Amino acid sequence: QQQVKQSPQSLIVQKGGISIINCAYENTAFDYFPWYQQFPGKGPALLIAIRPDVSEKKEGRFTISFNKSAKQFSLHIMDSQPGDSATYFCAAPLTDRGSTLGRLYFGRGTQLTVWP
Amino acid sequence: DGGITQSPKYLFRKEGQNVTLSCEQNLNHDAMYWYRQDPGQGLRLIYYSQIVNDFQKGDIAEGYSVSREKKESFPLTVTSAQKNPTAFYLCATTHYPNTEAFFGQGTRLTVV
Repeated sequence: QQQVKQSPQSLIVQKGGISIINCAYENTAFDYFPWYQQFPGKGPALLIAIRPDVSEKKEGRFTISFNKSAKQFSLHIMDSQPGDSATYFCAAPLTDRGSTLGRLYFGRGTQLTVWP
Repeated sequence: DGGITQSPKYLFRKEGQNVTLSCEQNLNHDAMYWYRQDPGQGLRLIYYSQIVNDFQKGDIAEGYSVSREKKESFPLTVTSAQKNPTAFYLCATTHYPNTEAFFGQGTRLTVV
């Protein structure tokens, strides 16, 4: 049962283009929605996160857009660069078997390739 | 230097053998997690621990065991009952469950 649905599975974008990755979730324990970036052979690292008292958060070329009513959030990478080529994971703190503590559920990942 | 140390980086296991993956943290974080990563499968939770001497099964706990005797350490044992253990294993910590997760550099386990 997939609690966090991420799409697309892979994405190829030309240098300078916009990369868009989407996530949909079910029931959250808390309002905290992070995106992680992972390079081959390395552990994921936090890229950007949003606590949705706002519907959008921007950090440099990376933007999270959040739609609470639709239970969806997305990552936009503007002016995509070859160095952005990596796997991206969304996550959501969903309730875990009735616990109020929550735990992060990860999407299946999107492999982004940016062509020079 | 604060962080999470996973060892070894590469590990080879023979059929029927138990192996233990190490995860140590000096971030003073309460919660620790073990994830398994396979191509196209994302990050699947094996076990997690919110406090010392307590841990919970994740989504794919069968064939694995853990202990949390110290706040800093959360070793994962891959037992012979795990039929397909070849994967990339990631340890993570959070200060609270709904905050940033910090990951180690991973251990790649291969069955030979």
